[in-house]
Amino acid sequence: GAVVSQHPSRVICKSGTSVKIECRSLDFQATTMFWYRQFPKQSLMLMATSNEGSKATYEQGVEKDKFLINHASLTLSTLTVTSAHPEDSSFYICSARGDSSYNSPLHFGNGTRLTVT
Amino acid sequence: AQSVAQPEDQVNVAEGNPLTVKCTYSVSGNPYLFWYVQYPNRGLQFLLKYITGDNLVKGSYGFEAEFNKSQTSFHLKKPSALVSDSALYFCAVRDFSGNTPLVFGKGTRLSVIA
Repeated sequence: GAVVSQHPSRVICKSGTSVKIECRSLDFQATTMFWYRQFPKQSLMLMATSNEGSKATYEQGVEKDKFLINHASLTLSTLTVTSAHPEDSSFYICSARGDSSYNSPLHFGNGTRLTVT
Repeated sequence: AQSVAQPEDQVNVAEGNPLTVKCTYSVSGNPYLFWYVQYPNRGLQFLLKYITGDNLVKGSYGFEAEFNKSQTSFHLKKPSALVSDSALYFCAVRDFSGNTPLVFGKGTRLSVIA
């Protein structure tokens, strides 16, 4: 089945630094990937839709200059949290559909636990 | 706008007993409905989906869900719970009519007690 690999699984960084999270589709091509953020005991919040070869589409309230998304190839999307602050500490999860069909389930990476000190 | 409600934050079930995790939804058109499971510090795993057809959908690990259009519900069920089923379960919905984002419920934590 479709596998999505996300790296790193955990990262601790100092306030003011930037962190890059990678999301790879291992056995399929993903023209679209989705980045979610999950707060403790809360649901997943869609941050942005990452489109291969074009700019990401950000959800309302998500700062595009803070959460930089690059989708340079059909198998790789990256999320960079710039100038991280403690309030950015969260669980970030990427996902992709196995094919272009709208009713296909999403396949998720294992997530990245970001802690900003 | 689409929305999903999972009315229970926590469901406790004894091992071997049947389990139900509730989900109701709201969409403007026909829904695509999904259930996902999340284990600690992991991403979500797909369990099952309803697109069209039979109202009873069977999925992974012995789970099933029943689509009820009149009640706008898509409850997740399993006849006999296992301790290993203990996890966080998310219901999700998308409107059938277009490429709208998948909207997730807030999740229900299932705890199966031996």
